[in-house]
Amino acid sequence: DQQVKQNSPSLSVQEGRISILNCDYTNSMFDYFLWYKKYPAEGPTFLISISSIKDKNEDGRFTVFLNKSAKHLSLHIVPSQPGDSAVYFCAASLLTQGGSEKLVFGKGTKLTVNP
Amino acid sequence: NAGVMQNPRHLVRRRGQEARLRCSPMKGHSHVYWYRQLPEEGLKFMVYLQKENIIDESGMPKERFSAEFPKEGPSILRIQQVVRGDSAAYFCASSPFTTGELFFGEGSRLTVL
Repeated sequence: DQQVKQNSPSLSVQEGRISILNCDYTNSMFDYFLWYKKYPAEGPTFLISISSIKDKNEDGRFTVFLNKSAKHLSLHIVPSQPGDSAVYFCAASLLTQGGSEKLVFGKGTKLTVNP
Repeated sequence: NAGVMQNPRHLVRRRGQEARLRCSPMKGHSHVYWYRQLPEEGLKFMVYLQKENIIDESGMPKERFSAEFPKEGPSILRIQQVVRGDSAAYFCASSPFTTGELFFGEGSRLTVL
């Protein structure tokens, strides 16, 4: 029962172009969404987040779009740089009845930015 | 300003042995989470702890796995009688709040021979 889906296991783009990473979710109770970036042999690092009451959040080259009706979010990176090459995880936050938070992760998309 | 510290980074065990993974959260963080990443998979929630309390262990296998976060010292994820299917990267994350961004450690990679 995969509640957060990243259907593209990999993506390859040219340096300077736009990278678009997609994520779909099934649980309408998720209250906010995050993107994490992960290099090999390192832990995930937080990149950007968006609350379920917004449809866009921008931070420098990174923009996250949320379409609640479609239960879809995307991460845009423009312009892409070789240093952006990493695995990107989409995560959704679920507040449990006890008040604790749980992050549900997708399987990740490996982005390769070619010089 | 150290981040989340996990050790060991790599651990090799034979089937039937015990594995202990340790996690020191960031300073000032009282919320600790453990996630597991199997090969070619995303991160799967295992357990959420606060000091001396297990808040949510809905992702923990029912047998052989346990976690604690004592009043003093690091959080410990313990796997008894390991099997090959336990081979994975185990990530610890901490947070100063019950909600919000999680800060991850570099992970502990368990290999069961």
